[in-house]
Amino acid sequence: AQRVTQPEKLLSVFKGAPVELKCNYSYSGSPELFWYVQYSRQRLQLLLRHISRESIKGFTADLNKGETSFHLKKPLAQEEDSAMYYCALSVSNFGNEKLTFGTGTRLTIIP
Amino acid sequence: DTGVSQDPRHKITKRGQNVTFRCDPISEHNRLYWYRQTLGQGPEFLTYFQNEAQLEKSRLLSDRFSAERPKGSFSTLEIQRTEQGDSAMYLCASSSDSNIQYFGAGTRLSVL
Repeated sequence: AQRVTQPEKLLSVFKGAPVELKCNYSYSGSPELFWYVQYSRQRLQLLLRHISRESIKGFTADLNKGETSFHLKKPLAQEEDSAMYYCALSVSNFGNEKLTFGTGTRLTIIP
Repeated sequence: DTGVSQDPRHKITKRGQNVTFRCDPISEHNRLYWYRQTLGQGPEFLTYFQNEAQLEKSRLLSDRFSAERPKGSFSTLEIQRTEQGDSAMYLCASSSDSNIQYFGAGTRLSVL
């Protein structure tokens, strides 16, 4: 069975400092990895997915299959980045792309 | 289209009562998912529909839980004989072939 681990429940970073949110997964095949974000009083929304290879709001994440990691990074944190971040994995099964989530990291940007 | 809608937003019930939640997905999304989220945890998969067919149910979904999507559009999740352990946020998500799941705001259930 697949599993996603986010080792940090809480992370505080000063504005302008680099941010790295860690995510490790366990799955023997080729999963698809995502980062979802939940801002205060908003619904869960997709931030980025590894197959897109995009930078969204300055965030990037690289899939490292050797280390089974998908860490989220941003070089310069901004106050509006404060939110709950979830790493998630999906394994395609005849159209069923159910997500397996980590427990989340609450990121707080200190002004 | 304002996205995935869930109703009600909050539900308080007494132990032993039945409750039903509704999810309206984004129109033309053929895939619909239900998740449950408890405090301090990420969402956990409950069940999956492709159009009107329920194709997977998690072991988390006991016999007291039933979900339907009768016409391949909206879906309902019913919990019979609620228990305090059922207290959680119930999330609905929908997607098309792009595999990007769009989440609703959730229904928060409190069982007293």
